[in-house]
Amino acid sequence: SQTIHQWPATLVQPVGSPLSLECTVEGTSNPNLYWYRQAAGRGLQLLFYSVGIGQISSEVPQNLSASRPQDRQFILSSKKLLLSDSGFYLCAWSVQRYTEAFFGQGTRLTVV
Amino acid sequence: AQTVTQSQPEMSVQEAETVTLSCTYDTSESDYYLFWYKQPPSRQMILVIRQEAYKQQNATENRFSVNFQKAAKSFSLKISDSQLGDAAMYFCACVSPLNTGTASKLTFGTGTRLQVTL
Repeated sequence: SQTIHQWPATLVQPVGSPLSLECTVEGTSNPNLYWYRQAAGRGLQLLFYSVGIGQISSEVPQNLSASRPQDRQFILSSKKLLLSDSGFYLCAWSVQRYTEAFFGQGTRLTVV
Repeated sequence: AQTVTQSQPEMSVQEAETVTLSCTYDTSESDYYLFWYKQPPSRQMILVIRQEAYKQQNATENRFSVNFQKAAKSFSLKISDSQLGDAAMYFCACVSPLNTGTASKLTFGTGTRLQVTL
């Protein structure tokens, strides 16, 4: 069966520090991968998605970037965090040409 | 572009009773899919139920069922025999494969917080 791992679960970082959140998927090949952000009291906003290694599409211009160095690995990064980057970040995957997305357990990021 | 609206920020239901969560959506596509996701206190998003727009029959998964009204662009979730474990945030979501290629770019509503009381 397929599983998705996301870490760390919680993170407190100072303003201006770098960020690296990692997500890996097991049990499937060539998945679509996604990074979503959930602000308090709001729904999920799609940040990035990838349909293959090295292929990244950005949905929202921002202080973040994403990379996919391996088929089942997706990384969310920032060179310098802003206070507004605080939130709950969720990684997800879906099968090619399928529609459900399956989510990791999320990372609560607090920028102080 | 798609939009999803959940007009009920909070709902409450007694254990063993039935509750309906509302969702409306807007899309210009003829082919699309609708979902309900559950987000418990652990905050992991869990798929509850899906509905393909081309299917007239309402989807059902055990105690969860939907009322899909395509003309009205309405997609409500009914939870029967509510249990304490049903307490969570519930999100309605929509995706249209036609304008997203092979990706599943879900558009989410703002969620409904469901409380289950004894």
